[in-house]
Amino acid sequence: DAKTTQPTSMDCAEGRAANLPCNHSTISGNEYVYWYRQIHSQGPQYIIHGLKNNETNEMASLIITEDRKSSTLILPHATLRDTAVYYCIVAPPFSGGYNKLIFGAGTRLAVHP
Amino acid sequence: KAGVTQTPRYLIKTRGQQVTLSCSPISGHRSVSWYQQTPGQGLQFLFEYFSETQRNKGNFPGRFSGRQFSNSRSEMNVSTLELGDSALYLCASSLASGQVLQYFGPGTRLTVT
Repeated sequence: DAKTTQPTSMDCAEGRAANLPCNHSTISGNEYVYWYRQIHSQGPQYIIHGLKNNETNEMASLIITEDRKSSTLILPHATLRDTAVYYCIVAPPFSGGYNKLIFGAGTRLAVHP
Repeated sequence: KAGVTQTPRYLIKTRGQQVTLSCSPISGHRSVSWYQQTPGQGLQFLFEYFSETQRNKGNFPGRFSGRQFSNSRSEMNVSTLELGDSALYLCASSLASGQVLQYFGPGTRLTVT
């Protein structure tokens, strides 16, 4: 069963905020929310992660609901270079085994002029 | 701090040949993981090396092997190439073994003809 649910695709105007939602209703107490993105034909890029508090870095902000069942990645001022597939992953910080860091289908974000 | 580097970036091989890919992790990172990414199968975990030892292994045939050197640099080898091995091969580094937070390289695009 998928641990996260994301919309298949989203559009955003350049310069506007892009808000990417993720549902993770079965998240466990020790699991973090991680966000990665992959621009076409490039390696995935780590964006941000959090446990229960909102987080912000130079790339994005992560808002996690109080019940931790959903979160939103915010790109405050989207640019054309932010066009990519965005992946939301929930996992404990250390997970051994061959199935660690599994990317689902993700959200394909298209930023247009 | 320099990111993860992979060489070569592009490679064309013939069926039956073998290939060696190289990965240099971020300075100070001791864990290197390898992934195969194809349009049909998505991102699949191959194996992880930490302190020159294979710590985790995915569900790939024995034709896929790897090693890690004392400076944490890693190589991946695929013997007796098959058409289905055509893929983007990604290397990711992290501070510790089994860590979900990983930093990816740009990948090596392997085409088998």
